[in-house]
Amino acid sequence: AQKVTQAQTEISVVEKEDVTLDCVYETRDTTYYLFWYKQPPSGELVFLIRRNSFDEQNEISGRYSWNFQKSTSSFNFTITASQVVDSAVYFCALSEALNTDKLIFGTGTRLQVFP
Amino acid sequence: DVKVTQSSRYLVKRTGEKVFLECVQDMDHENMFWYRQDPGLGLRLIYFSYDVKMKEKGDIPEGYSVSREKKERFSLILESASTNQTSMYLCASSPTATVLSYEQYFGPGTRLTVT
Repeated sequence: AQKVTQAQTEISVVEKEDVTLDCVYETRDTTYYLFWYKQPPSGELVFLIRRNSFDEQNEISGRYSWNFQKSTSSFNFTITASQVVDSAVYFCALSEALNTDKLIFGTGTRLQVFP
Repeated sequence: DVKVTQSSRYLVKRTGEKVFLECVQDMDHENMFWYRQDPGLGLRLIYFSYDVKMKEKGDIPEGYSVSREKKERFSLILESASTNQTSMYLCASSPTATVLSYEQYFGPGTRLTVT
């Protein structure tokens, strides 16, 4: 069965610290997609990244980077030099090749960045 | 820019009332989704529609129904609201997945309180 686990419920850091949000997934499919979303206090989920299962190359976008490791079924998200504006709930999600329209979400990690 | 709008940001209803939550998207997306978000549970899919007048149950459809008479509009109906339906409701849309899975675009959410 497919599942996404975000074991960290809440993380607090001080500005400029680096922080990594963990995401572990379970799926029987060999073709699948992984996503990260950000939900700021305003409530609207904002798409951050999509990766497919055949692309294990890590990705960097400004202060954000993602580490995809199929061997450990993980898709971790790192924010470098965190800022107060990074405070949000972050969700990891999975979709499978046979059901690509649907997303399975983790329970989210609340990140608080203090000045 | 994709725009998903929801009819209300905040709603307070009484137990037993019939409640309508409206969602409109302006990107001609085939798929539309209704989720509810509760602390510690992440996002759970209530219903999903892949075309006009077509719908599919999600993980927690009990107590809800949906309507999709036009492509751009997807309504969530609580036939007889109960206090355990107090939650944040999020609407999303996406194009139909063909080869790859597309990200979903979310509305700002409706925080519903049933008293």
